[in-house]
Amino acid sequence: ETGVTQTPRHLVMGMTNKKSLKCEQHLGHNAMYWYKQSAKKPLELMFVYNFKEQTENNSVPSRFSPECPNSSHLFLHLHTLQPEDSALYLCASSPRKGPYEQYFGPGTRLTVT
Amino acid sequence: QKEVEQNSGPLSVPEGAIASLNCTYSDRVSQSFFWYRQYSGKSPELIMSIYSNGDKEDGRFTAQLNKASQYVSLLIRDSQPSDSATYLCAVNFGNEKLTFGTGTRLTIIP
Repeated sequence: ETGVTQTPRHLVMGMTNKKSLKCEQHLGHNAMYWYKQSAKKPLELMFVYNFKEQTENNSVPSRFSPECPNSSHLFLHLHTLQPEDSALYLCASSPRKGPYEQYFGPGTRLTVT
Repeated sequence: QKEVEQNSGPLSVPEGAIASLNCTYSDRVSQSFFWYRQYSGKSPELIMSIYSNGDKEDGRFTAQLNKASQYVSLLIRDSQPSDSATYLCAVNFGNEKLTFGTGTRLTIIP
């Protein structure tokens, strides 16, 4: 778990706020991912970055905006969210995209009021 | 649609017994398979990976893969209360991502 860190761990925001989630990996990996985990649902892949380039946007609404300045850091910028966006947001990394194991950070528990 | 299916449980197993968790997947074009453990309120933790047919053992955990029948299983020997968690199966279908099942909730009864 300490190989991938996420901040903040908990976030409560109103529907008109703007906030950002941060992820950092210390594993020397080149691929990073954002997932959304809601109750009773499978993990939903949101975005994939490989060597800083976004390679997948899984039909995510534009109120979620990712940023990957380098292979070690990943951000998720949030604005004008809806209550149904409340969930656990997980960052993961892997050596590169493809059939490789992914390691998860502790997650950010987001509540939209 | 590439899918990964797991029985949601809960699966209850007495302490000391063998817990058997199963996962089936929809596409034969699959390259790698993973089992993650997720405690309540925590993030998924990788516990096993398997890439070829057969068994792979790591301590009390054994992963079994049968590509012809399209299933992968996880056996936990000498189950402990600390094994109580949700276990997620993940499959790579030859693309750039992992597809996760909904998970099986396992409870070890002391």
